[in-house]
Amino acid sequence: LAKTTQPISMDSYEGQEVNITCSHNNIATNDYITWYQQFPSQGPRFIIQGYKTKVTNEVASLFIPADRKSSTLSLPRVSLSDTAVYYCLVGLYSGAGSYQLTFGKGTKLSVIP
Amino acid sequence: AAGVIQSPRHLIKEKRETATLKCYPIPRHDTVYWYQQGPGQDPQFLISFYEKMQSDKGSIPDRFSAQQFSDYHSELNMSSLELGDSALYFCASSKDSTGPPDTQYFGPGTRLTVL
Repeated sequence: LAKTTQPISMDSYEGQEVNITCSHNNIATNDYITWYQQFPSQGPRFIIQGYKTKVTNEVASLFIPADRKSSTLSLPRVSLSDTAVYYCLVGLYSGAGSYQLTFGKGTKLSVIP
Repeated sequence: AAGVIQSPRHLIKEKRETATLKCYPIPRHDTVYWYQQGPGQDPQFLISFYEKMQSDKGSIPDRFSAQQFSDYHSELNMSSLELGDSALYFCASSKDSTGPPDTQYFGPGTRLTVL
C-alpha cells in the first residue's frame, strides 16, 4: 500500500477555505485516493474519493494533479464543527469484497472562532 | 438512514478475562471490517469478512477471533485480555461493487477498558 504524508496539524479561522495536501509518491496505477474525517471518540466518516483531476461533492473538493503523487482536500468556509482529524488513504481493492483501510498519521484541523 | 450498530458501547474487563463485541452492519451490506484505535493512535485494521467468509487479515492478535454470521452481523471475540487491549474498537460495513473502492461506514465504536 502506498505510504502517505500529510501535515500533523493545521489551524484555520472560521469561514476560511482550508486546503490539506497529502503526498503519496509511490501511488500505484490502480490506487484510489480517499479522505476520511474523524471526530474524537467517533468512527471515521467518508468525505470524498477520487482517482484523477477534480472531484467535488456537497462537503469538499479533491484535487489530484496529473502525476497523482499528491492530492489536496479542500474544505470551503470551515466552521467550528469541522475541527477534526482528516486522513488521506491510498490503496486498492485488497481481496474479494474487501478494501483494507490503512490509516497513517492524519491532519488535526483546528478551526478557531 | 440506518447506520452500523455496535454493542456494547462501553465494556470494562479485568486482565485475562474474555470479551465479545458485536457489530450489526447497514442492511444489505455484505462486508464487515474491524478496526482498533488505541489512545492517541490512528485506527488499525484487524480483520474483514465478505459474505460470511474471512476476506482479509491485518494486525489481529492470535488471542482474538471473529466471524460473520448468516444474518451478516459480526462478533469479535477477545480472550486473555491484556492492559494494552484497552482501545476503541470500530466496526465498519460496505456493499461490495465493481469499480472504485467501496465506502466504509463506521459504527460508533465500543470502548474497551481492561483493568
